[in-house]
Amino acid sequence: SQTIHQWPATLVQPVGSPLSLECTVEGTSNPNLYWYRQAAGRGLQLLFYSVGIGQISSEVPQNLSASRPQDRQFILSSKKLLLSDSGFYLCAWSPRSYNEKLFFGSGTQLSVL
Amino acid sequence: EDKVVQSPLSLVVHEGDTVTLNCSYEVTNFRSLLWYKQEKKAPTFLFMLTSSGIEKKSGRLSSILDKKELFSILNITATQTGDSAIYLCAVKSNSGYALNFGKGTSLLVTP
Repeated sequence: SQTIHQWPATLVQPVGSPLSLECTVEGTSNPNLYWYRQAAGRGLQLLFYSVGIGQISSEVPQNLSASRPQDRQFILSSKKLLLSDSGFYLCAWSPRSYNEKLFFGSGTQLSVL
Repeated sequence: EDKVVQSPLSLVVHEGDTVTLNCSYEVTNFRSLLWYKQEKKAPTFLFMLTSSGIEKKSGRLSSILDKKELFSILNITATQTGDSAIYLCAVKSNSGYALNFGKGTSLLVTP
């Protein structure tokens, strides 16, 4: 069966520091991968999605970037965090040919102070 | 621009009550509408609806889609405290890769 791992679960970072959140999927090949951000406990905003290694599409211009160095690995990064980057970050995957149904990781609560 | 609007934004009910959550949408080239439940961290899938008038049911939860009026409802009967969660509605179009989510309805079921 497929599983998705996301870490860390909680992160507190100072303004201006770098960020790296990692997500890996097991038990499937060629998944679509997604990063969402959720503010104030609701409303998922799509940040990035990827349909293959090295292929990243950005939905919202921002201080963040994403990379997919391997088929089942998705990384969210920032060189310098802003206060406004605080939020709950969710990684998700979907099958390549059936991309309605998303399977979410357990999320990372990021606080930028 | 695609839009998904959920109502109410929050709701408090007593155990045993029946609740109806609403989701209206505007999307170009509609493909499907999905409902998710988010208790603490990861949203979990409830239903996917693609055709009008066909009810999907799972235990005490059911959902239906109206493609003419562009909305869906999620019903929960005989609510339990374990139903307390944020319920998210999302829409998928044929022209995009990702789901477009509404802001969610926060449901609290009190004993």
